[in-house]
Amino acid sequence: AQSVTQPDIHITVSEGASLELRCNYSYGATPYLFWYVQSPGQGLQLLLKYFSGDTLVQGIKGFEAEFKRSQSSFNLRKPSVHWSDAAEYFCAVAPNYGGSQGNLIFGKGTKLSVKP
Amino acid sequence: GAVVSQHPSWVICKSGTSVKIECRSLDFQATTMFWYRQFPKQSLMLMATSNEGSKATYEQGVEKDKFLINHASLTLSTLTVTSAHPEDSSFYICSARPRDSYNEQFFGPGTRLTVL
Repeated sequence: AQSVTQPDIHITVSEGASLELRCNYSYGATPYLFWYVQSPGQGLQLLLKYFSGDTLVQGIKGFEAEFKRSQSSFNLRKPSVHWSDAAEYFCAVAPNYGGSQGNLIFGKGTKLSVKP
Repeated sequence: GAVVSQHPSWVICKSGTSVKIECRSLDFQATTMFWYRQFPKQSLMLMATSNEGSKATYEQGVEKDKFLINHASLTLSTLTVTSAHPEDSSFYICSARPRDSYNEQFFGPGTRLTVL
């Protein structure tokens, strides 16, 4: 069965420090890959997505993610974290049915706290 | 563009009553809408997929008679929690897939349901 693993439940970084959130997936073929951010009591906002092509994907708010097929990973990075980045981050995958997206499968999320 | 709204944003009800949650795509037509449930500090779990004009497809373990989904138009889907009980208290999030897209979903802001 398809699954998404976010090994870090909670990460705390200092403002201005770099950030990497890990995501690994289990799927037979290359799926569609997503990172979402959720602020408390809010819905999900798409940060970035990977469908095909360049394995380094740029997103909003200065985030980027790199797809590594050999490691089945899609880690999210940001070079310098801002206090407003404190939120819950979800990695998600969706099966790729020849260009049509299957249902999203979410990881359990990583809560990011930012120290002043 | 691609805005999805939910109404109400929060609701408190007595045990045994029914609650209806609306999900609207404001600036696009959505042939498919999804309903998710999120428990505190947990990930999103897909409850059901609804296609305009047809019956919803429920995920395993989701009671279709308890969570009634209607997708009567290309911009509106409703989720009715019937005879709600405290264990139904949760954060319900919808998403919508545009009519001309096979690999995009846009999320609503969520509805917090508390059953007393």
